[in-house]
Amino acid sequence: GAGVSQSPSNKVTEKGKDVELRCDPISGHTALYWYRQRLGQGLEFLIYFQGNSAPDKSGLPSDRFSAERTGESVSTLTIQRTQQEDSAVYLCASSLEVALQETQYFGPGTRLLVL
Amino acid sequence: QKEVEQDPGPLSVPEGAIVSLNCTYSNSAFQYFMWYRQYSRKGPELLMYTYSSGNKEDGRFTAQVDKSSKYISLFIRDSQPSDSATYLCAMTQTGANNLFFGTGTRLTVIP
Repeated sequence: GAGVSQSPSNKVTEKGKDVELRCDPISGHTALYWYRQRLGQGLEFLIYFQGNSAPDKSGLPSDRFSAERTGESVSTLTIQRTQQEDSAVYLCASSLEVALQETQYFGPGTRLLVL
Repeated sequence: QKEVEQDPGPLSVPEGAIVSLNCTYSNSAFQYFMWYRQYSRKGPELLMYTYSSGNKEDGRFTAQVDKSSKYISLFIRDSQPSDSATYLCAMTQTGANNLFFGTGTRLTVIP
């Protein structure tokens, strides 16, 4: 079956512009995660969705970052007024259930470059 | 202090060598330990999963967890060029909503 897909694959934007990143999770996966991977650093948790529960936004670095998910489908991560330090790979993952021992399946990521 | 520390490498070994990758951590509540493999321009994929202390073997891969030392390892036997990738350790605790990752170790296996 299809894995997690993300779009766009690459995004170059100018400082101050808004960007929207999309994640299509594996069908039937109730849990969805966004991570950020900066060059030379580990994955940094951003936000977590589980079904129709309130999302865990504890990892969002500033109020310029927001994310939405409708039910158990597509999620979008929006970064407003982008800064150069936002340049990173943004990874989305989904899993069948909320339990973290469930395997998280990652998408290929969106490479964001802010000039 | 980061919650998870991992030597970023890079690490280069000849084909057939035994590779040892390691992470240390500071949170004694971590109980679930994973190793992910990430090829260039791809998302991480789960390689090994271990709960609490002990060893787990899967083919050429062995994961070890020593909770008393807060130290985990991944061993790769008979390494192959196809093993060339970045290896990320990850861990978490009951009730957490996310994984805590190391920085990743970049491994190159030279034919």
